[in-house]
Amino acid sequence: GENVEQHPSTLSVQEGDSAVIKCTYSDSASNYFPWYKQELGKRPQLIIDIRSNVGEKKDQRIAVTLNKTAKHFSLHITETQPEDSAVYFCAASKGIYNQGGKLIFGQGTELSVKP
Amino acid sequence: DVKVTQSSRYLVKRTGEKVFLECVQDMDHENMFWYRQDPGLGLRLIYFSYDVKMKEKGDIPEGYSVSREKKERFSLILESASTNQTSMYLCASSPPGAGANVLTFGAGSRLTVL
Repeated sequence: GENVEQHPSTLSVQEGDSAVIKCTYSDSASNYFPWYKQELGKRPQLIIDIRSNVGEKKDQRIAVTLNKTAKHFSLHITETQPEDSAVYFCAASKGIYNQGGKLIFGQGTELSVKP
Repeated sequence: DVKVTQSSRYLVKRTGEKVFLECVQDMDHENMFWYRQDPGLGLRLIYFSYDVKMKEKGDIPEGYSVSREKKERFSLILESASTNQTSMYLCASSPPGAGANVLTFGAGSRLTVL
């Protein structure tokens, strides 16, 4: 089955710097790649996603890139702010067009942004 | 906003007890999921359901069962709780079709098995 590996497990940056989190997946049939953010004590929430027919997607300070050949995708956060501190999870699915498709998550990255 | 409500935020149970974790969503979503969250392991899928009375095993179904008698409710059952089932349990739901993989999570149920 699908396996998603996420690195690094922890990441500490200074406010204003950029942060990059990387994920690799094993199933070449995967076609949907979301990122979830979980603030301390709260539920995971979707922040951005990308489909396999797109190489890059941006939303203000966050962007996601996808390399299908290498089977990896990355989250980029620019101009980091303290409120970006959270655990970030990547995920992969091949069920986007099928009801009941399942998401397989990576292990999570704890991002700390120091003021 | 879709609301996914998990009935218990914190539970403490003893080894061998039967445990029920309840999840209710209020937006008529077809798909519902149970994940467990452990540090360093991410979110691992236990079971999911894409219709009433339907269930599919996820990646770690051993020791768990589920029930979906009504569309809005998806219950996770630990028949005989063990200490290695101490964890945070997250329920999620999603609509059918193209949105099936956009999950809305509940607040979580932290289970401690003594």
